Amino acid sequence: DTGVSQNPRHKITKRGQNVTFRCDPISEHNRLYWYRQTLGQGPEFLTYFQNEAQLEKSRLLSDRFSAERPKGSFSTLEIQRTEQGDSAMYLCASSGGQYNEQFFGPGTRLTVL
Amino acid sequence: AQSVTQLDSQVPVFEEAPVELRCNYSSSVSVYLFWYVQYPNQGLQLLLKYLSGSTLVKGINGFEAEFNKSQTSFHLRKPSVHISDTAEYFCAVSDPQAGTALIFGKGTTLSVSS
Repeated sequence: DTGVSQNPRHKITKRGQNVTFRCDPISEHNRLYWYRQTLGQGPEFLTYFQNEAQLEKSRLLSDRFSAERPKGSFSTLEIQRTEQGDSAMYLCASSGGQYNEQFFGPGTRLTVL
Repeated sequence: AQSVTQLDSQVPVFEEAPVELRCNYSSSVSVYLFWYVQYPNQGLQLLLKYLSGSTLVKGINGFEAEFNKSQTSFHLRKPSVHISDTAEYFCAVSDPQAGTALIFGKGTTLSVSS
């Protein structure tokens, strides 16, 4: 097991374009989380899946953001009509078991020009 | 809503000196507490966690933290730091159950120099 992986690691896009990020969690973990981290800040929660069900969404997740986890394994986060304010590191985490230890991937750094 | 305050944004220390990174959280009810480390352009690595039981928690890389319920604090300590400990450190809190969001502080930059 190689841990949580995220692709791509870096994405540069122009304002108004759509982008999609992928997260592959640790294989036996049934819970998956997305966070956003801007410069000089701690990560902020975006959304949470248990298996394929999206159980919680933050107010930070505007209508332009959508996340899926179609078969309860990998997840995708799509941002439509990107804005410069979307520039950030997008982190994925997964967890399993009865406690809330979350294991993070390396992140996808998005730059919107 | 839960919140986390990391009292120092930057902590400069010399190699082999002791260090304490301070963390306070808002809730007085049961919580889970975590410390993560982030190296440049990388994700977060779990250093240690408090779930229940002993208030002194030992983690990786020689770090430890003490849970103090009355002061709602969870300070991180290391008796002797190395250059390689230079990184960003984040304290996080969550409700005491699986499947809840982690609430992070703004982070403390630890800079170790020789």
